Amino acid sequence: QVQLVESGGGVVQPGRSLRLSCAASGFTFSTYAMHWVRQAPGKGLEWVAVISYDGSNYYYADSVKGRFTISRDSSKNTLYLQINSLRTEDTAVYYCARDGGRSWYLRGEVHWGQGTLVTVSS
Amino acid sequence: NFMLTQPHSVSESPGKTVTISCTRSSGSIASNYVQWYQQRPGSFPTTVIYEDNQRPSGVPDRFSGSIDSSSNSASLTISGLKTEDEADYYCQSYDSSNRVFGGGTKLTVL
Repeated sequence: QVQLVESGGGVVQPGRSLRLSCAASGFTFSTYAMHWVRQAPGKGLEWVAVISYDGSNYYYADSVKGRFTISRDSSKNTLYLQINSLRTEDTAVYYCARDGGRSWYLRGEVHWGQGTLVTVSS
Repeated sequence: NFMLTQPHSVSESPGKTVTISCTRSSGSIASNYVQWYQQRPGSFPTTVIYEDNQRPSGVPDRFSGSIDSSSNSASLTISGLKTEDEADYYCQSYDSSNRVFGGGTKLTVL
């Protein structure tokens, strides 16, 4: 079955960087677009970024453009999110999500990981 | 950018039926598929409806989805409510540039 396991979260000072990982298994990783979605404490879901199935295209929410970089390594079946210049408002649980197919619109039967918590605090 | 508006909360009794609405602010609701996610307290989201009205395997047929072009909205209906259905529910859709979530609806089954 589809499994997505995030890691890399923790407590980080403002202005520092962090790289999140999402290990995928149970499906052919290279045939699905992948997303990051975050959820601030007590708040709703916010879409963050997407990368196409082959890694050739990516797109970001305006709120993170220029600071976040999404990437993937199909040889390791792993999705990444590099977060630079962390701000207190980046504090959230970060989920990776598999799109329903090659479309990268977050449609179809989306599968979610369990999330990793990033806390930005001095 | 468009928005998806959901009621903040709904409540209903076990065994009853509840409907959660999701209204799109601009652009046609029928132009892009709507997904619905369930998030139980302390857990991650799971898909309960995708592509407007499709149910993943393992999701009971008590869950159904629909869209209404006249009100430009989507709906999630849960019949035969169980206490385990108590959760936050989020609608989600997209256009060529955006992937958008509704603000979420807290369902209380009392």
